Amino acid sequence: TQLLEQSPQFLSIQEGENLTVYCNSSSVFSSLQWYRQEPGEGPVLLVTVVTGGEVKKLKRLTFQFGDARKDSSLHITAAQPGDTGLYLCAGERGSQGNLIFGKGTKLSVKP
Amino acid sequence: ETGVTQTPRHLVMGMTNKKSLKCEQHLGHNAMYWYKQSAKKPLELMFVYSLEERVENNSVPSRFSPECPNSSHLFLHLHTLQPEDSALYLCASSPGGSGTDTQYFGPGTRLTVL
Repeated sequence: TQLLEQSPQFLSIQEGENLTVYCNSSSVFSSLQWYRQEPGEGPVLLVTVVTGGEVKKLKRLTFQFGDARKDSSLHITAAQPGDTGLYLCAGERGSQGNLIFGKGTKLSVKP
Repeated sequence: ETGVTQTPRHLVMGMTNKKSLKCEQHLGHNAMYWYKQSAKKPLELMFVYSLEERVENNSVPSRFSPECPNSSHLFLHLHTLQPEDSALYLCASSPGGSGTDTQYFGPGTRLTVL
């Protein structure tokens, strides 16, 4: 049983379009992180959300943590080819702070 | 460049070989991690070291053996691997062991077991 479900698995859009990807769980996490991973590289942290209902903005990216701290979404406005990559969400579990990752959403933005 | 380097970047080995993966962090962090990233599975945490002590071992088979000689270096020793162990092995470091700490990942070692 996967703890964190990400959807969609794949997304291919044209430059300038908006999109939302989701990260859902039946478990409560004390914090949730979003990463972007480009081919041949390791994941790079985009944001950490901690409080239920929290919304964080990073330029054209908007991250929301669900009120119950079980789910999160990432919205990208006016996508650019440079946004192409694998978007991973990861929830913090346990006192050691170990992260549980979703399988990711592979985003392709075509010029 | 995240300050975490991994060598080699690519490795092909037979099932009877013994090899080691190396990770080095130049960030002064206290915690280091090994993850496995397979094509159809989520990123899986394998081992966590905090201040050179192993604090987590997620039921990883004994054919994977980690070593952390100091807070800047982390190794993963491999022996008698199986083809299903082929994956991208990622190393990460963080200032401490808290989940809200930012983890900085290396570029990974792409391992193929024949």
